[in-house]
Amino acid sequence: GAVVSQHPSRVICKSGTSVKIECRSLDFQATTMFWYRQFPKQSLMLMATSNEGSKATYEQGVEKDKFLINHASLTLSTLTVTSAHPEDSSFYICSAIESAGSYNEQFFGPGTRLTVL
Amino acid sequence: GDSVTQMEGPVTLSEEAFLTINCTYTATGYPSLFWYVQYPGEGLQLLLKATKADDKGSNKGFEATYRKETTSFHLEKGSVQVSDSAVYFCALSGGGGNKLTFGTGTQLKVEL
Repeated sequence: GAVVSQHPSRVICKSGTSVKIECRSLDFQATTMFWYRQFPKQSLMLMATSNEGSKATYEQGVEKDKFLINHASLTLSTLTVTSAHPEDSSFYICSAIESAGSYNEQFFGPGTRLTVL
Repeated sequence: GDSVTQMEGPVTLSEEAFLTINCTYTATGYPSLFWYVQYPGEGLQLLLKATKADDKGSNKGFEATYRKETTSFHLEKGSVQVSDSAVYFCALSGGGGNKLTFGTGTQLKVEL
């Protein structure tokens, strides 16, 4: 089946630093990737939709200058949390689909736990 | 906007017990409905889906029926196993763009 990986699985950083999270589709080409944030005991909240070769589309309330998304190839999207603060601590999950349009199954990565001290 | 409401957990059951996890939704139009499962330390996996009213999705002994009249998509399993312990998410996809709207998740613990 389709596999999506994320790296790193856990990261701890100091306040004010930037952190990059990678999302890779291992056995398929992903024209569209999604980035979610999951708070403890809460739902996954969609942050942005990333299409290969174009700018990401951010959901309302998500700061695009703080959460930089790059989808430079059909198998890789990155999320960079810039100038991280403790309130950015969360579980970040990506998903990928092979083609957009009529519904195609999203394949999810295992998530990245970010802790900002 | 679209929203999904599912019962709060954790739900604790004995092995072989009957499982129901309630899910209701609010959406414009005719969304597709999904149940995802997240095992400890892993990503979300699609468990089952239904794309139109009265459709029944089923997989691994789990079932859910798309009820438009009650805007519900309750998850059921006749006999749970310890290996079913996980967090279950109800979700919908409405309109275009493949966006998913998730419920808050329900943790299921199955004990011997």
